Parts: sequence; C-alpha cells; structure tokens
Amino acid sequence: KAGVTQTPRYLIKTRGQQVTLSCSPISGHRSVSWYQQTPGQGLQFLFEYFSETQRNKGNFPGRFSGRQFSNSRSEMNVSTLELGDSALYLCATSGGSTDTQYFGPGTRLTVL
Amino acid sequence: QKEVEQNSGPLSVPEGAIASLNCTYSDRVSQSFFWYRQYSGKSPELIMSIYSNGDKEDGRFTAQLNKASQYVSLLIRDSQPSDSATYLCAVNQIQGAQKLVFGQGTRLTINP
Repeated sequence: KAGVTQTPRYLIKTRGQQVTLSCSPISGHRSVSWYQQTPGQGLQFLFEYFSETQRNKGNFPGRFSGRQFSNSRSEMNVSTLELGDSALYLCATSGGSTDTQYFGPGTRLTVL
Repeated sequence: QKEVEQNSGPLSVPEGAIASLNCTYSDRVSQSFFWYRQYSGKSPELIMSIYSNGDKEDGRFTAQLNKASQYVSLLIRDSQPSDSATYLCAVNQIQGAQKLVFGQGTRLTINP
C-alpha cells in the first residue's frame, strides 16, 4: 500500500496570507488527524476528521480549519498567517479496528 | 504537570548496549500507547503500540506498560548507530478517538 502523502512539502508565505495543505490517506483509512510540530511546543493535535466530519478538535484558534472529502482526502487551511505559524504540519491516518496512526512526510511552512 | 512527560535527553548509549526510554502520563483513563521514532527533518515513524499491562516485544524493541503507575517504557536491545533519533511517546486518551498527546521526545544517540 502507498503511504500517506502530503502536498506541498514546503511552503513559504508572508504574514497575513492564507495557506491550504493537503493530505491523502493510506488506502482504506477514513480517519485523518492533523498535527503541528514546533521546536518549542512539540507535536500538538489540531483536529481529526472521519467520514467528512470533524470528530475531535485541539486548542488552536479558529484561523485553523479543515475539511475532508468523500474519498477521505483532507485539507487544512490557515488564514491570516502569523510568524508563529511556522512549523511542520503533519497529517496522520488510521483505519479499520485499530487506532494506530501513520504519519505523512509533512509540510514545512515558513511564514516571513 | 504535562499530560505526557519524557526526559528530553540527550541519552547517550554505546553501540550494542540496551537503551531505555521512559514516559509517564497523567490521565489515568488513557487507553492506547505508542512509541514513534523521528529522525531529524523527517516525520514520526511508528515503532510499536501497546494497550495492555506488561511487555510487548517486536524484534530488538520491547515496550512495557504499567497502567497503575502510569508509565510506558521502550527498551532497545543491541543498539545500533541507526537507532540514533528522537523517540516520541504518544498517548490516546479517548477510546475510539484519534487524538494523540505527545511527550516532548527523548533524543537518543548511539555511540559506535
């Protein structure tokens, strides 16, 4: 099976812009979770989507949003970018009867 | 108190020795526990999951879970230089949810 894919791999944006990141899960996986990783805060949960519905949400401001499509692919959007949004954004997918999550390669976002 | 705590290290171990990584968690109702390995600049890679008290072995890796004491550990036998990485402990607090809480990670260096 192909693994989790994320696009783009690298992004450079300026403050105030918005950005959309994409995640394609492992075939058959219906749950997609998003995480932000920074040196200071480590890995933090953003939100999880399952069957096109947000099932869980972390403690991030409303500028962070996401959605999931019928083919389980997911996108996350960050509006009005701030310098502190510079991070590695990871998606992780799971499926079947297990809650084991498998991570994609991540998108490295730099906000200037 | 952080929800999931790990010694940030660095932990230095000679090649061929046993590396021992520890993790404690605060939420007593946590259900699922995971160890991930993350090489510098890469995304987390699943090493092992554990759900029940006791030991679980997979090759050179052994995970240990003690729910009464709220700790999880990972032992790496016959450590190799390729094991040098940051090891992340993750806890899924909600059964059926895909919301991992991560420790800050332990940086492990295996010295040839």
